[in-house]
Amino acid sequence: QSALTQPPSASGSPGQSVTISCTGTSGDVGAYKYVSWYQHHPGKAPKLIIYEVSERPSGVPDRFSGSKSGNTASLTVSGLQAEDEADYYCCSYVGSNTLVFGGGTRLTVL
Amino acid sequence: EVQLLESGGGLVQPGGSLRLSCAASGFTFSTSAMSWVRQAPGKGLEWVSAISNSGGSTSYADSVKGRFTISRDNSKNTLYLQMSSLRAEDTAMYYCAKAVRVASRITYFDYWGQATLVTVSS
Repeated sequence: QSALTQPPSASGSPGQSVTISCTGTSGDVGAYKYVSWYQHHPGKAPKLIIYEVSERPSGVPDRFSGSKSGNTASLTVSGLQAEDEADYYCCSYVGSNTLVFGGGTRLTVL
Repeated sequence: EVQLLESGGGLVQPGGSLRLSCAASGFTFSTSAMSWVRQAPGKGLEWVSAISNSGGSTSYADSVKGRFTISRDNSKNTLYLQMSSLRAEDTAMYYCAKAVRVASRITYFDYWGQATLVTVSS
């Protein structure tokens, strides 16, 4: 159950697009379509923004999109807004009803 | 509105025990899988444990297996995490999360609580 690998930080100016990667192995990200992404503003409850690689829950802006290629999943935030500044975590199913998170990426809106 | 309210956190000595609770409302608790996720100070999220809607299936992270026990009382709409043999590295904010099962697999968490703080220290 090793953590998925995310860059510790990412940044972009308002209106720009930013992509955050999440690298796992053929036993987790590469094996299942069950990759999810969470937005976490410190001190608040994490929020689901992407599930099953690329599905968006109701109410999540379409500026957030997800994809996967091989053992790496990605989250793209388009049209960056100030309120997008937060920590972002990927999560993958790894079998036997266990899951693993990435280390998290701090997104800064410049 | 889905609400998850954790309680039971506090300061405990190494080797001690603590039981966390999560009171759920706003959805049909008895048909929902549930999970615990934690965040140590300055660290990222770590999945801890999950339980099926009936309580008949449970799973744990290797880091807590054999020390933590997840359970639920569907008559009280409450999720529990019994923690024993606590270590300093168990110090964290503990989140209760509603989990979604797909084909009997717990796949993601659609609602989260505000967390309760557990501090393990002498």
